[in-house]
Amino acid sequence: NAGVTQTPKFQVLKTGQSMTLQCAQDMNHNSMYWYRQDPGMGLRLIYYSASEGTTDKGEVPNGYNVSRLNKREFSLRLESAAPSQTSVYFCASSETQGVYEQYFGPGTRLTVT
Amino acid sequence: AQSVAQPEDQVNVAEGNPLTVKCTYSVSGNPYLFWYVQYPNRGLQFLLKYITGDNLVKGSYGFEAEFNKSQTSFHLKKPSALVSDSALYFCAVRGTNTGGFKTIFGAGTRLFVKA
Repeated sequence: NAGVTQTPKFQVLKTGQSMTLQCAQDMNHNSMYWYRQDPGMGLRLIYYSASEGTTDKGEVPNGYNVSRLNKREFSLRLESAAPSQTSVYFCASSETQGVYEQYFGPGTRLTVT
Repeated sequence: AQSVAQPEDQVNVAEGNPLTVKCTYSVSGNPYLFWYVQYPNRGLQFLLKYITGDNLVKGSYGFEAEFNKSQTSFHLKKPSALVSDSALYFCAVRGTNTGGFKTIFGAGTRLFVKA
């Protein structure tokens, strides 16, 4: 049981380049999330997907897009990377909203130069 | 607006001593409260949660947390710290009157347990 997997683990981009971060879960969870983690700021929600076929903005969605490809997969796209997007990105999933805890992937460390 | 505060950036304890990591919150409605732990270069792992019922919640690895409604706190505790408990700890909260999935995470508290 792999849980939540993310690819790639590390990435370096130049300003203006684009990339897609991939996330998959094998726990049959309905809800999935993308967060970014910056020093001293905890985790901030970028986008979430309550269930297959739905996505919605979180706290810091500007500069990002998402796709809930199916129940298992939830990708995050940076169309034109900026240095301010240098961060560690975590994907998470949960059974559904509210009372259920989230399960996190190992993270992607992104540097934009 | 929802918020969660972890007032200490770092907590230092000696192995074998009790530890406390503090968390206070502000939400609309009743709170759902969570503690997560993050080891270096890893994702967050769930430790425990409070939804309703008994104010003392027990979780993984011998950790427990006490919900105090009057003080709007949810402090994480362990009776006897281990060196292996050294990690980054996050408190998270979601209010029952908020829509969507807006669980708010604190900034994190780094726990250092000295042998």
